[in-house]
Amino acid sequence: EVQLVESGGALIQPGGSLRLSCTASGFSLNNYVMNWVRQAPGKGLEWVSLMFSGGGTYYPDSVKGRFTISRDDSKNTLYLHMNNLRAEDTAIYYCARDRDWSYDFWGQGTLVTVSS
Amino acid sequence: QTVVTQEPSLTVSPGGTVTLTCASNTGAVTSDYHPNWFQQKPGLAPRPLTYDTSHKHSWTPARFSGSLLGGKAALTLSGAQPEDEAEYYCLLFYGGAQRAFGAGTKLTVL
Repeated sequence: EVQLVESGGALIQPGGSLRLSCTASGFSLNNYVMNWVRQAPGKGLEWVSLMFSGGGTYYPDSVKGRFTISRDDSKNTLYLHMNNLRAEDTAIYYCARDRDWSYDFWGQGTLVTVSS
Repeated sequence: QTVVTQEPSLTVSPGGTVTLTCASNTGAVTSDYHPNWFQQKPGLAPRPLTYDTSHKHSWTPARFSGSLLGGKAALTLSGAQPEDEAEYYCLLFYGGAQRAFGAGTKLTVL
């Protein structure tokens, strides 16, 4: 059974750093394109990063230079390293698998709150 | 900057038909944008409905269908049920590995 489980969300002060994790089961992360998607409270979905199976990474301008997506194949885990966090980064962060132009499986999300 | 536009809200009667659309500020949406549609209910993760314009997942009810319509991606719900009341999001794939979601359509079944 395919499953994605996010963790690492926390209350963090502005300017701080945080690392989110997404552990996969039922498939190997390194065979798929993997994404992080976030949703601010009461707002819509926003794509924030992706990693291709070959390791290439991409980001929208809103997080470029502050967020880094990475992967540990031995742990079958995807990460999102977030630096210089701002209040507007407050959101639920989801990881999602991209298979054949389909975001077919999503985790349950982990909440990041940036506040002093 | 890419902007994906959806209707903010729509209402459909139980048993009725409604079409949600998804437009891009870059021009007409074609199959090259591989449109995806998701349903989200409060407190839950998005649930994939359709992908690559018109393909359905194994769990997608038959009353949902994806298409291209007048230069936009479209999601048609035929025979609306009360449980279809939710927020619906589209996702478009752009060149350079960029992706963008629409702002969502709040669908009321009333």
